[in-house]
Amino acid sequence: EDQVTQSPEALRLQEGESSSLNCSYTVSGLRGLFWYRQDPGKGPEFLFTLYSAGEEKEKERLKATLTKKESFLHITAPKPEDSATYLCAVQAEAGGTSYGKLTFGQGTILTVHP
Amino acid sequence: DAGVTQSPTHLIKTRGQQVTLRCSPISGHKSVSWYQQVLGQGPQFIFQYYEKEERGRGNFPDRFSARQFPNYSSELNVNALLLGDSALYLCASSRTGGASYEQYFGPGTRLTVT
Repeated sequence: EDQVTQSPEALRLQEGESSSLNCSYTVSGLRGLFWYRQDPGKGPEFLFTLYSAGEEKEKERLKATLTKKESFLHITAPKPEDSATYLCAVQAEAGGTSYGKLTFGQGTILTVHP
Repeated sequence: DAGVTQSPTHLIKTRGQQVTLRCSPISGHKSVSWYQQVLGQGPQFIFQYYEKEERGRGNFPDRFSARQFPNYSSELNVNALLLGDSALYLCASSRTGGASYEQYFGPGTRLTVT
């Protein structure tokens, strides 16, 4: 069964203090790894898709990287508006009843203090 | 372009009742997926529909059912509601089903069962 584990569960940073969030996964054939941002009471907002080990994607202060076992979301010089829950999800090679399924981790709650 | 829309925003039901949630995908997207998110956890996959056919199903009881209409909108039905069905129900749309296209989420419907 596909599994995704995110760490830490919660992270408190000062504005400008860079850090990384971890997403470890086990999946029977990775089709894609996805990062989302979720604000309280709202739906997840798509950030990145990574397809193969060694791939990197960047967007403003965020950079996502992928290895064969884990992904990192690096946050450079964060601002208070970056405070949110960051979710990681994997999609396995399509098959059977898992067609289209995203398996999510429990998320990392990021709080950035001014 | 309008994003994924869901209705209603909030809903309060009593145990044993039935509920119908609605979702309209992004224009041009042909696949809709449904997820359940309990507070403090990542979303759990319920169904994926593509071209009006069920393509994927998660580990949810038969009380949960869904359908997709010719205009690609979708409904999620839950019968015989239990207290444990209280959650945020998320709809996500993607261009096609299964392949590693990004899934874009709506704002969700908050269901409370009393």
